[in-house]
Amino acid sequence: DADVTQTPRNRITKTGKRIMLECSQTKGHDRMYWYRQDPGLGLRLIYYSFDVKDINKGEISDGYSVSRQAQAKFSLSLESAIPNQTALYFCATSVSHTTRATGELFFGEGSRLTVL
Amino acid sequence: AQKITQTQPGMFVQEKEAVTLDCTYDTSDPSYGLFWYKQPSSGEMIFLIYQGSYDQQNATEGRYSLNFQKARKSANLVISASQLGDSAMYFCAMREAEEDKLVFGAGTILRVKS
Repeated sequence: DADVTQTPRNRITKTGKRIMLECSQTKGHDRMYWYRQDPGLGLRLIYYSFDVKDINKGEISDGYSVSRQAQAKFSLSLESAIPNQTALYFCATSVSHTTRATGELFFGEGSRLTVL
Repeated sequence: AQKITQTQPGMFVQEKEAVTLDCTYDTSDPSYGLFWYKQPSSGEMIFLIYQGSYDQQNATEGRYSLNFQKARKSANLVISASQLGDSAMYFCAMREAEEDKLVFGAGTILRVKS
């Protein structure tokens, strides 16, 4: 089983619908992230959380919200989906950078969202 | 300003040859880390290699090495003896100590020819 699990893996929805993408992890990491990937733009950070009580906006948070329900769970919501939110969404986890850890990200398998 | 720049949208390399994927970065933080990830056509993100700003030697991991030129702010990925399975998208990323989150470049698509 994957250490970082995203659901759903694929979703097609209509403009104006509310969508939730869920992420759960078994790695025991404190830090969780949501990125979106668009062709030619790489991965851009939407929101991130360093622990259960900590939520931070990334560079493209408009139109999105998140919930950190537990250390292992981090959900991304689109309150009213629009077509330009069509993208591949990744959840990722990490430990903080120390002399013993690089702080690399461990990614889920991605959730492909299409908004018609 | 872009923090991470990957100027090569696409690259071709002949099987068994070496290839260099370019990455330049922009930061004023003296403490930072540089990462390379591989994304095959299946979509998963695979961590390849890490270089810390204070590391004295270039990082190596198997066939991957990172050509770190601090003064030029470049962190190029070198893949030696290319294999067909190296065909993928490659992303360079940076984490600044003060920001403590990864920022990614736009990526380079590598195609290995037989």
